[in-house]
Amino acid sequence: GAVVSQHPSRVICKSGTSVKIECRSLDFQATTMFWYRQFPKQSLMLMATSNEGSKATYEQGVEKDKFLINHASLTLSTLTVTSAHPEDSSFYICSALIDLPSGNTIYFGEGSWLTVV
Amino acid sequence: AQSVTQLDSQVPVFEEAPVELRCNYSSSVSVYLFWYVQYPNQGLQLLLKYLSGSTLVKSINGFEAEFNKSQTSFHLRKPSVHISDTAEYFCAVSGQGAQKLVFGQGTRLTINP
Repeated sequence: GAVVSQHPSRVICKSGTSVKIECRSLDFQATTMFWYRQFPKQSLMLMATSNEGSKATYEQGVEKDKFLINHASLTLSTLTVTSAHPEDSSFYICSALIDLPSGNTIYFGEGSWLTVV
Repeated sequence: AQSVTQLDSQVPVFEEAPVELRCNYSSSVSVYLFWYVQYPNQGLQLLLKYLSGSTLVKSINGFEAEFNKSQTSFHLRKPSVHISDTAEYFCAVSGQGAQKLVFGQGTRLTINP
């Protein structure tokens, strides 16, 4: 079964509005989650690292005021795309870091398709 | 800094034929290596990973990859592919701690009947 769940799987919003995507870790706590963006037929690009209880760490070139990340609990991280524009349309994927005795393991969510019209 | 290069953007093969998806990486530190599979309109699923120990790692569905430090490679192989293996395959690398992943460009594997 799914270890990391994203919601919504698909969302369409009007240009200028904000949209929130949730990433939940199921049955385990994740102090660290990651948000990626994937353009069609391209690879995943890390946007930011989300740390529970502290500010997210953004990768170079990612606008922190546009892509708001909140990791308010050990099982939930949210990505809010503010004042969305058509160029923000993309596939957004989160992942969660699980600390296992055998080592760190990363599980990915199912992804969320964002279309800005 | 780490980087990953997947040399082939597309690999078409016939069903039941063998396949190799190439992955080369560069890193100034010890690395952990991963292969992820992405089926159409879905997220990523971990296929296999190398953290330490045996350089040959295997998945439950017949894929295997070998970590070659001297050639800085982690090629993915399967001796006989099935239609259901059609997907995008991503090679990824991370540094110690296996946290932040750097992905390759992806290889689209297409299986023809």
